[in-house]
Amino acid sequence: GQQVMQIPQYQHVQEGEDFTTYCNSSTTLSNIQWYKQRPGGHPVFLIQLVKSGEVKKQKRLTFQFGEAKKNSSLHITATQTTDVGTYFCAGPHARGFGAGTRLTVKP
Amino acid sequence: DAGVIQSPRHEVTEMGQEVTLRCKPISGHDYLFWYRQTMMRGLELLIYFNNNVPIDDSGMPEDRFSAKMPNASFSTLKIQPSEPRDSAVYFCASSLDGGTQYFGPGTRLTVL
Repeated sequence: GQQVMQIPQYQHVQEGEDFTTYCNSSTTLSNIQWYKQRPGGHPVFLIQLVKSGEVKKQKRLTFQFGEAKKNSSLHITATQTTDVGTYFCAGPHARGFGAGTRLTVKP
Repeated sequence: DAGVIQSPRHEVTEMGQEVTLRCKPISGHDYLFWYRQTMMRGLELLIYFNNNVPIDDSGMPEDRFSAKMPNASFSTLKIQPSEPRDSAVYFCASSLDGGTQYFGPGTRLTVL
């Protein structure tokens, strides 16, 4: 099945700095989802993107879906310690989760 | 709704023993997924069901692993015999349409 590749694997930032994780697919995706997993927790759904070029915001989080529907990004503005965790992207119909980006935030 | 329910939450067993993990999906969801998560390999899809039928089991590591879904409200993942390398967190997730997935709290399995 198709897979999604995610970079970077790790990101360590100072509190207040911005953070971005990227997701890429070799094939067109009908949709893409983003999840967050806190340390010791389980993945929790954040958002789903469906339309080409779509941009959605959730407070300090901005999600984008590429025009070709092969890539996506999650950007966090002014990170806080509560943003710590691993962020995953996932293609539709169990086509696989990305490896995730583990974000650590230094207060 | 109570969300996806998994049991047990923790399991410690000895190598060679049979292990059965259980999952109750969200009512009305037609898709059920089993994942394994380790530090080394990340989040791996083992198998998923649609309307109680296994659709893709290509992620199941080997014959020691088996999964069943006898009805829409219950699924099991069995490992027999278990090995230390099976130690991981096993997640069950359900989905209404195969898109957005709702994960259970996971079962932390330790095989000694």
